[in-house]
Amino acid sequence: DAGVTQSPTHLIKTRGQQVTLRCSPKSGHDTVSWYQQALGQGPQFIFQYYEEEERQRGNFPDRFSGHQFPNYSSELNVNALLLGDSALYLCASSLALSEAFFGQGTRLTVV
Amino acid sequence: GENVEQHPSTLSVQEGDSAVIKCTYSDSASNYFPWYKQELGKGSQLIIDIRSNVGEKKDQRIAVTLNKTAKHFSLHITETQPEDSAVYFCAATSPNQAGTALIFGKGTTLSVSS
Repeated sequence: DAGVTQSPTHLIKTRGQQVTLRCSPKSGHDTVSWYQQALGQGPQFIFQYYEEEERQRGNFPDRFSGHQFPNYSSELNVNALLLGDSALYLCASSLALSEAFFGQGTRLTVV
Repeated sequence: GENVEQHPSTLSVQEGDSAVIKCTYSDSASNYFPWYKQELGKGSQLIIDIRSNVGEKKDQRIAVTLNKTAKHFSLHITETQPEDSAVYFCAATSPNQAGTALIFGKGTTLSVSS
C-alpha cells in the first residue's frame, strides 16, 4: 500500500501565478482533505472532498479551489498566488468518518 | 468554531525520561482527538487517538488521556528514545455527515538527547 501520495514535493511560483497540487489517497479511502501548514504552525483545514463534492470548507478565500475525481484522487488549485501562500500543503485521506492519514506534503514557495 | 491550544511549544528531555504534551479544546461537541508525529521527509504519522467515550488509551510507550469536563487531553511518552524526537501535533474534531475537519494545535517540538 503506497499510502497517501502527493505531487510535486516542491514547487516555486511567482506572485500572481496559478498552481495545481495533486493527491492520491490511500487505497480504499474515499475522502480527501487539504491543509495548509505555515512554518512553525499547525496545519489549517482548507476543504474536504467526498463523492466528488466539496463537503466542508475552512476559512480560506475563493482563490483556493479543489476537485475530486471518480478514482478519489484530488487536486488543489490556488489562483493569483500571494507571498503569504508559501507553505507546506498537506493532503489527508480517510474512509467515511474514520481516522485521517497524511501525505508528505508539497512545499510551495511563492516569490 | 473549535480552537485547540497546545503546550509546551518545545520540550527537551533526556533519553529514558517521560514526556508529556497537553492540549485544551474549546468546543464541547468535539469527540475525536488524534495525535500526529511529524518528521522531515516522513510526513505526518497518526500515533494514537482517543474518542470521547474513553478516558485513557495506551499503545506500548505512548498513552493519551482525556478529561471531557475540563476539555483537555494529553500525550504521554514513557522511556523516551532519540527517535521520538519530532514535532507532535494534537487535533480535535467532531466527525459527522458534514465533514471531519481536524483542528490542530500549533505543535510541540520534542528533543530527546542521549
